[in-house]
Amino acid sequence: DSGVTQTPKHLITATGQRVTLRCSPRSGDLSVYWYQQSLDQGLQFLIQYYNGEERAKGNILERFSAQQFPDLHSELNLSSLELGDSALYFCASSVTPSGLREQFFGPGTRLTVL
Amino acid sequence: SQQGEEDPQALSIQEGENATMNCSYKTSINNLQWYRQNSGRGLVHLILIRSNEREKHSGRLRVTLDTSKKSSSLLITASRAADTASYFCATADRLTQGGSEKLVFGKGTKLTVNP
Repeated sequence: DSGVTQTPKHLITATGQRVTLRCSPRSGDLSVYWYQQSLDQGLQFLIQYYNGEERAKGNILERFSAQQFPDLHSELNLSSLELGDSALYFCASSVTPSGLREQFFGPGTRLTVL
Repeated sequence: SQQGEEDPQALSIQEGENATMNCSYKTSINNLQWYRQNSGRGLVHLILIRSNEREKHSGRLRVTLDTSKKSSSLLITASRAADTASYFCATADRLTQGGSEKLVFGKGTKLTVNP
């Protein structure tokens, strides 16, 4: 158990809908990262937050957004969903904002868009 | 941006044998990390090796780093069925000058250890 929690574990929805994925980092970790894992693209970095502020952006679509709240939990919002958004979404946390340190991953949310 | 590429894509061995996975990357790095992922689950950090280190051990894991060849290898000795998983190397890609870095993962090596 990494100490990172993600909810829900599974999500099935329809095209055009909007969903919110939630992540709670390990106790004491200020940095949260979101990743998308699909069969064709592999594991792709989406976005990073550190202590409530956006720190780095990766391959995140404009239809996607995220935020980190004062209690350090983070939410990833996916809107106008398309079939291609079906993937595993992981949240990871680390103690520093630096991407050079090890990251601790949650169990993931499996999103299926029908 | 730099990216780790693992080789082979898939590896099948018998319990008790050693498993070796390789990773190549493109540009200079600060460190290289190895992660394990059991099917459909989150990644687990295994080991981090810094650019000034050549070899590192952790239990049955041995990681080497050759910065001149831009390559790393992960050796799992005396493998067990429970080692069956995908293994990823990750390198840090600096996003902005003075800014944060992101981990860039390869596509992984799928290891199957047969009992």
